[in-house]
Amino acid sequence: NAGVTQTPKFRVLKTGQSMTLLCAQDMNHEYMYWYRQDPGMGLRLIHYSVGEGTTAKGEVPDGYNVSRLKKQNFLLGLESAAPSQTSVYFCASSRGSGGYEQYFGPGTRLTVT
Amino acid sequence: GENVEQHPSTLSVQEGDSAVIKCTYSDSASNYFPWYKQELGKGPQLIIDIRSNVGEKKDQRIAVTLNKTAKHFSLHITETQPEDSAVYFCAASSTNYGGSQGNLIFGKGTKLSVKP
Repeated sequence: NAGVTQTPKFRVLKTGQSMTLLCAQDMNHEYMYWYRQDPGMGLRLIHYSVGEGTTAKGEVPDGYNVSRLKKQNFLLGLESAAPSQTSVYFCASSRGSGGYEQYFGPGTRLTVT
Repeated sequence: GENVEQHPSTLSVQEGDSAVIKCTYSDSASNYFPWYKQELGKGPQLIIDIRSNVGEKKDQRIAVTLNKTAKHFSLHITETQPEDSAVYFCAASSTNYGGSQGNLIFGKGTKLSVKP
């Protein structure tokens, strides 16, 4: 099992450019999450999904969109990148909500100049 | 909504000493408290968790304690080793509700350095 994989690992964007981050999991998990990690800020939830075809806003959703067309994939899109979106992005998945372990991917380091 | 405070933000100990990281939470509905370890360049990984029906849980050199009355929980690492050096995150959520209330709320993290 590969677990949770993320592509790409690194990316540099110019302000205003768009991109999509891909997350894939092979554990047949219903729940998937996108977090951003900034120094001194911990992990903040951007969007999440409770199953194929569903998405919901997290704590910091502005400037991001997501899609979950297939159960195993969760895409995070930046339509018009801003320097404030420079961060490390982590995808995670879990069997359920609440008391279930979340499995994290290795992260994507995004720099917006 | 839930708010999780974590202290200290950095912690340096000598190899073999104990390390304690403390977290407080605000929502009395929270009943699940996991701890995640993040090594450099990797994603966080669950190391131990505790539910509100127990006060303490141990797994070899790590233990977690929970005080529901005071709304705080702590991670204890004994006989620290250099490989324990990492960033540790506490989190809280409720298992009683679906939707956003089941999502984990993370503390800001503690960078633990274990000096040989």
